[in-house]
Amino acid sequence: GEDVEQSLFLSVREGDSSVINCTYTDSSSTYLYWYKQEPGAGLQLLTYIFSNMDMKQDQRLTVLLNKKDKHLSLRIADTQTGDSAIYFCAEKRGSGGSYIPTFGRGTSLIVHP
Amino acid sequence: NAGVTQTPKFRILKIGQSMTLQCTQDMNHNYMYWYRQDPGMGLKLIYYSVGAGITDKGEVPNGYNVSRSTTEDFPLRLELAAPSQTSVYFCASSLKRGRIEDTQYFGPGTRLTVL
Repeated sequence: GEDVEQSLFLSVREGDSSVINCTYTDSSSTYLYWYKQEPGAGLQLLTYIFSNMDMKQDQRLTVLLNKKDKHLSLRIADTQTGDSAIYFCAEKRGSGGSYIPTFGRGTSLIVHP
Repeated sequence: NAGVTQTPKFRILKIGQSMTLQCTQDMNHNYMYWYRQDPGMGLKLIYYSVGAGITDKGEVPNGYNVSRSTTEDFPLRLELAAPSQTSVYFCASSLKRGRIEDTQYFGPGTRLTVL
């Protein structure tokens, strides 16, 4: 199976919170990332978290990491139509070496009025 | 800074043709990467480079070649295009200083169709 798994779709109403979930398998992962991809564009880093942290907050974004369960989530508060995009979870493989990330398949977030 | 730039944006190739996808970064990053993204899938690493003159295979290198003669440029070569290489190709770069590695910055992508 995939090393990084995400649900493929999430639909929310504008103004609600969105929670995008991700599970990974490599217990040696040191960094975990969330990227946003808008239609026809490359990936844009949203936020990242070190594996020794449980939570990171950055304005409307909250990242939660459960290292025991290898579960990562991204919460977007007050979701707006501009947040509609594909969100990729990625983990860094290996330790101390090159940044060779493994990406999930992406979660398409659809925000409707 | 322009960041990471890729050319062309779109290309259609016939089976067996060859082409080079260009990637340039002006951030003086030492690490550069090539990924492909197939529909509904995440990114798969094709090749990467940790500095000028050094390249290494990623997860899906077959059918591709790279070179890194300068810090700025990291072209990806397809020698004999096949329909299985129809994909969107992303170049990325990052800066590693000692044990600390910055995150990756992505180019806008090249959409390639092989017919």
